[in-house]
Amino acid sequence: DAGVIQSPRHEVTEMGQEVTLRCKPISGHDYLFWYRQTMMRGLELLIYFNNNVPIDDSGMPEDRFSAKMPNASFSTLKIQPSEPRDSAVYFCASSFGAPNTEAFFGQGTRLTVV
Amino acid sequence: AQSVAQPEDQVNVAEGNPLTVKCTYSVSGNPYLFWYVQYPNRGLQFLLKYITGDNLVKGSYGFEAEFNKSQTSFHLKKPSALVSDSALYFCAVRDMGLGSAGTALIFGKGTTLSVSS
Repeated sequence: DAGVIQSPRHEVTEMGQEVTLRCKPISGHDYLFWYRQTMMRGLELLIYFNNNVPIDDSGMPEDRFSAKMPNASFSTLKIQPSEPRDSAVYFCASSFGAPNTEAFFGQGTRLTVV
Repeated sequence: AQSVAQPEDQVNVAEGNPLTVKCTYSVSGNPYLFWYVQYPNRGLQFLLKYITGDNLVKGSYGFEAEFNKSQTSFHLKKPSALVSDSALYFCAVRDMGLGSAGTALIFGKGTTLSVSS
């Protein structure tokens, strides 16, 4: 398996624009997690899904953020409108079963909002 | 709420010397504990985990970690450090006292390990 695949790897956008980050989990995995990494706050959980259903979105910072998982092989994280403080590296991770299994991370998307 | 603390932002060690990266946790139930490593511009890679059983767990690249319930710690160790071990290390926990709400990994802020030659 190619692992968790995220796209794009880098995204530079202007403030106010819509940004969509994409994730393809490892085939067969039933959990998908979105994290955000910044120097100040470290790794923060934004939202996670189980069998395509959002379970906990309490980490989503504002209504500007939304996430979907229309099927088992695809998820999106959307920011609309984007702001400079959203600049971070966004990671997607997946795991098979929980809680005693490790999560596998994608390479991340580095978002810069200018 | 569950939390993970990595008290050292940076650990410096000479190649060949033993290394320890510290981690303490706070949970309401039994913890499932994990260590991950992140190299520059890369995602996180799983190193090892403690679920139950032997308190000393062994993982990838010669790393090991010791679960200490009384001290609520899960320190990462390696007997002999390599320059190539230099990276950012994260400790993470799942709080099994939260039921399904504890499914997601909660991470510490990370410790930068620097191994000098």
